[in-house]
Amino acid sequence: EPEVTQTPSHQVTQMGQEVILRCVPISNHLYFYWYRQILGQKVEFLVSFYNNEISEKSEIFDDQFSVERPDGSNFTLKIRSTKLEDSAMYFCASSEGLGLRTDTQYFGPGTRLTVL
Amino acid sequence: GQNIDQPTEMTATEGAIVQINCTYQTSGFNGLFWYQQHAGEAPTFLSYNVLDGLEEKGRFSSFLSRSKGYSYLLLKELQMKDSASYLCAAPMNTGFQKLVFGTGTRLLVSP
Repeated sequence: EPEVTQTPSHQVTQMGQEVILRCVPISNHLYFYWYRQILGQKVEFLVSFYNNEISEKSEIFDDQFSVERPDGSNFTLKIRSTKLEDSAMYFCASSEGLGLRTDTQYFGPGTRLTVL
Repeated sequence: GQNIDQPTEMTATEGAIVQINCTYQTSGFNGLFWYQQHAGEAPTFLSYNVLDGLEEKGRFSSFLSRSKGYSYLLLKELQMKDSASYLCAAPMNTGFQKLVFGTGTRLLVSP
């Protein structure tokens, strides 16, 4: 069964450093997403991406964050200058994007980011 | 605005049936999702309801009442591996693709 993959599984970085989290969505999916989950808290939407542009973003997704689809398979989340409060599990998700109003999102295993 | 409420924690015994409730308030309705999340892992899709009624899928069923803003997930013949968090989620009205999650219900299944 096709699945979303993410690398790395764990990332430790120093405050102020840049990190890039990588995702390979399910191959025939057209919509991509990033969510985060701070330890013990709810899953929070960051951004959705369709047709090579951001379709929606949350207030969390400020100028320090960016997303990119550098090639036909990868989807990345960059945090330019990490803060302590960016420590969280980051989940990538994808959905078919068939033009229906809502379709099911499938999540990757996550990258645990620890900012020291 | 959008608000999703579910109990924080539930316990049950192996072989039993458990019902996890979720109430939601949305400015528009585009269906309701249930996901399972084991500790430290990704949410895994369980069900999606957009019409009223019960959808059965093996040991798991999900119910929706749009008029009451209410859904539940029913787990039958509980197994130890069902110990996990169960997340209720609904798409935001604006883009239909932004999922808003509840805090999750942590289910502990004991022998």
